[in-house]
Amino acid sequence: SQQGEEDPQALSIQEGENATMNCSYKTSINNLQWYRQNSGRGLVHLILIRSNEREKHSGRLRVTLDTSKKSSSLLITASRAADTASYFCATDALYGNKLVFGAGTILRVKS
Amino acid sequence: DGGITQSPKYLFRKEGQNVTLSCEQNLNHDAMYWYRQDPGQGLRLIYYSQIVNDFQKGDIAEGYSVSREKKESFPLTVTSAQKNPTAFYLCASSIIGDTGELFFGEGSRLTVL
Repeated sequence: SQQGEEDPQALSIQEGENATMNCSYKTSINNLQWYRQNSGRGLVHLILIRSNEREKHSGRLRVTLDTSKKSSSLLITASRAADTASYFCATDALYGNKLVFGAGTILRVKS
Repeated sequence: DGGITQSPKYLFRKEGQNVTLSCEQNLNHDAMYWYRQDPGQGLRLIYYSQIVNDFQKGDIAEGYSVSREKKESFPLTVTSAQKNPTAFYLCASSIIGDTGELFFGEGSRLTVL
């Protein structure tokens, strides 16, 4: 089974609103990453947070990590129509050497 | 510009035929990966390679084969043994030794007629 599971499966918001996506995982990890995928395209790396970090920012993105709950959240502030995409979390198990991706959250930002 | 190039972008195959998807990178990355993506699902790892002439099976390797004769190239062959090959295939690369950022190609969509 997949390591990371995103919630919600789909999210529709108005431009300017904030979007929050959650990711839960099952085993201890080294790091957790978030990726974005526009329809029919490859994935683009957004941000990486290590297991000893609790929060990280990059532009309008804010990622939190709670290792005690084995969960992470991605917050996109002041969303734009161009943020419409699928967002995936990916984790690497503590003693593994490969990333495992969740099923993703489809975000639609309406203008 | 450095990056990963996948070709072809769209490919149609008749049942019983083998097809090979190309993946080339000029990022000087040691590690390369092939993922499969089905609608509404995440990425599943098919094969990965951390060094030339060596590769390991991922979670869904049955019906697929790969080679790594050059650092820059990691072609994937979808064989006739793959029972449900219609999918979106993504190639990626990374710096070895750290499960850090993956750099992805634009993908190849394979449709079996």
